[in-house]
Amino acid sequence: AQSVTQLGSHVSVSEGALVLLRCNYSSSVPPYLFWYVQYPNQGLQLLLKYTTGATLVKGINGFEAEFKKSETSFHLTKPSAHMSDAAEYFCAVTGYGGATNKLIFGTGTLLAVQP
Amino acid sequence: NAGVTQTPKFQVLKTGQSMTLQCAQDMNHEYMSWYRQDPGMGLRLIHYSVGAGITDQGEVPNGYNVSRSTTEDFPLRLLSAAPSQTSVYFCASSYSLAGGLHNEQFFGPGTRLTVL
Repeated sequence: AQSVTQLGSHVSVSEGALVLLRCNYSSSVPPYLFWYVQYPNQGLQLLLKYTTGATLVKGINGFEAEFKKSETSFHLTKPSAHMSDAAEYFCAVTGYGGATNKLIFGTGTLLAVQP
Repeated sequence: NAGVTQTPKFQVLKTGQSMTLQCAQDMNHEYMSWYRQDPGMGLRLIHYSVGAGITDQGEVPNGYNVSRSTTEDFPLRLLSAAPSQTSVYFCASSYSLAGGLHNEQFFGPGTRLTVL
């Protein structure tokens, strides 16, 4: 079974500051990991994903995340926040290689960016 | 391509009424799924389908039915609506499952449902 824990339901940063959103996962098989973003009154869209290979993955809008197996983490970072980054961010996990056909989401982190 | 479409966008029901939320995709995706989104609880998987004629339960299937008669459509049925089913419902789809669910999920715009 898979599960995801996102620490911090609300995170507030100043424009230009580092963004760090935390995600820890639990999986009985090697995981595929994802970050999705949701802007107000919209559906979700993919920011980035880890499946296999390089553990540091880069996504859209300057975001990146690092898969750390020893820490069971997949934290999302961006060096410099922009006002347009204000949104809700979801971490998600599924099992490697078709071990499961379920994509399980965390509870989300709402990012506020202060001018 | 229209992507993933959902109808209606908004719906108000009375307790005990039934209704169907429609979801369609025009990308020939094998995998389709339904989630509900509630404040503080993220997205929870209701049901999913790995292809036409094949469906399975997710994390919170009770009170909901699904069927997949075509690749394009994946309707979600509420048999007897309850206030606890007040939520925003999202449909999603993705490409072939070969190798697992590693492909991007494409989400619809959502249906906001209120049950009185």
